[in-house]
Amino acid sequence: QVLLVQSGAEVKKPGASVKVSCKVSGYTLTEVSVHWVRQAPGKGLEWMGGLNPEEGKTTYAPKFQGRVTMTEDTSTDTAYIELSSLRSEDTAVYYCTTDTSVSGTWASWGQGTLVTVSS
Amino acid sequence: DIQMTQSPSSLSASVGDRVTMTCRASQSISSYLNWYQQKPGKAPKLLIFAASSLQSGVPSRFSGSGSGTDFTLTISSLQPEDSATYYCQQCYSIPFTFGPGTKVDIK
Repeated sequence: QVLLVQSGAEVKKPGASVKVSCKVSGYTLTEVSVHWVRQAPGKGLEWMGGLNPEEGKTTYAPKFQGRVTMTEDTSTDTAYIELSSLRSEDTAVYYCTTDTSVSGTWASWGQGTLVTVSS
Repeated sequence: DIQMTQSPSSLSASVGDRVTMTCRASQSISSYLNWYQQKPGKAPKLLIFAASSLQSGVPSRFSGSGSGTDFTLTISSLQPEDSATYYCQQCYSIPFTFGPGTKVDIK
């Protein structure tokens, strides 16, 4: 079983950037494919991007292209998502999750990180 | 992008009732359809993958069916702990997309 533990809540001003971490345990980062999903308050779930195992590269949802960067540190088994040019609509809980044997099917989830964007 | 719709948006049912909710994709996604349960303040939980396969540890009262564009999640006998929002999600093509959810309340 993959265990995912995320960093704590963040408060940022509009225009700033935020970086959220996701520590993987139970498996190494090289053995899993990490994805990021967010949920604005009272809203639904939105996929932001993740590792495409077939291509071996990270794919971003078009909505976030150019504003989001997903990286990994295999020495610490920690994945990161950085979102720049923050606006109020980016206020949300950000979740990391990992694929099962099927890409895009997510059984393990982090606890979520609330990012609040406010002036 | 593949658009996912769900109906109803909410429902209220009694303990022991059979509950059915539907999910529709804007184009055929074969059986690349997952169902998640989410309770307030918690991460989503995978219930059903590949349209009809029950995730390990999920009670057998949950079942899924369908293929192509139309899918169904059924709770055969509603329990108090099933109060939650249920989301369908397609993993057929990127960008992966979710439906808007069906909120289930207990009468």
